[in-house]
Amino acid sequence: EAGVVQSPRYKIIEKKQPVAFWCNPISGHNTLYWYRQNLGQGPELLIRYENEEAVDDSQLPKDRFSAERLKGVDSTLKIQPAELGDSAVYLCASSEGRSEAFFGQGTRLTVV
Amino acid sequence: QKEVEQNSGPLSVPEGAIASLNCTYSDRGSQSFFWYRQYSGKSPELIMFIYSNGDKEDGRFTAQLNKASQYVSLLIRDSQPSDSATYLCAVKDSGYALNFGKGTSLLVTP
Repeated sequence: EAGVVQSPRYKIIEKKQPVAFWCNPISGHNTLYWYRQNLGQGPELLIRYENEEAVDDSQLPKDRFSAERLKGVDSTLKIQPAELGDSAVYLCASSEGRSEAFFGQGTRLTVV
Repeated sequence: QKEVEQNSGPLSVPEGAIASLNCTYSDRGSQSFFWYRQYSGKSPELIMFIYSNGDKEDGRFTAQLNKASQYVSLLIRDSQPSDSATYLCAVKDSGYALNFGKGTSLLVTP
């Protein structure tokens, strides 16, 4: 069975440009998470979906970040415009119920 | 914000020794507890989960949970250099929010 798939793996953009990340979770997993991880830090939750509903987006910087999960399956996270401080690894994970979450390979974003 | 606390380390242990990693959490309603291993430049990989008080063993790994003390730990027996990584403690609450600690860096020296 395929795991969580993310794309792209790497992205380099200039500041003020838009960028989008895509995630396809494990089939049947209702919960989808987007995390941001800075070097030397643990993953920080940006948004959590239960099916197509965003149930926790309190840490999402809504002035520049947006996310969607159409049909409760794959999801897109967008940043517009990007800032230098957005450079990080963006991780997508999925889970079912109280069980463990599985991570994709992540997208390493560099804003120059 | 529900807190998950870990010592950042680095924790250095000699090869063959027992490594002990600790984690505390703030939400008493938490239901599920996880340990992830993360190698540099890679994404987190699940190594253990525990739901009930007590110990859970899987090979060289033992997870320990004490809900009264809001404490979870991971023991790694017969530590190997390949165990050198960052270990992330994660806690899931009754609403399935999954919060992570900052991670403990483990170095196993030959």
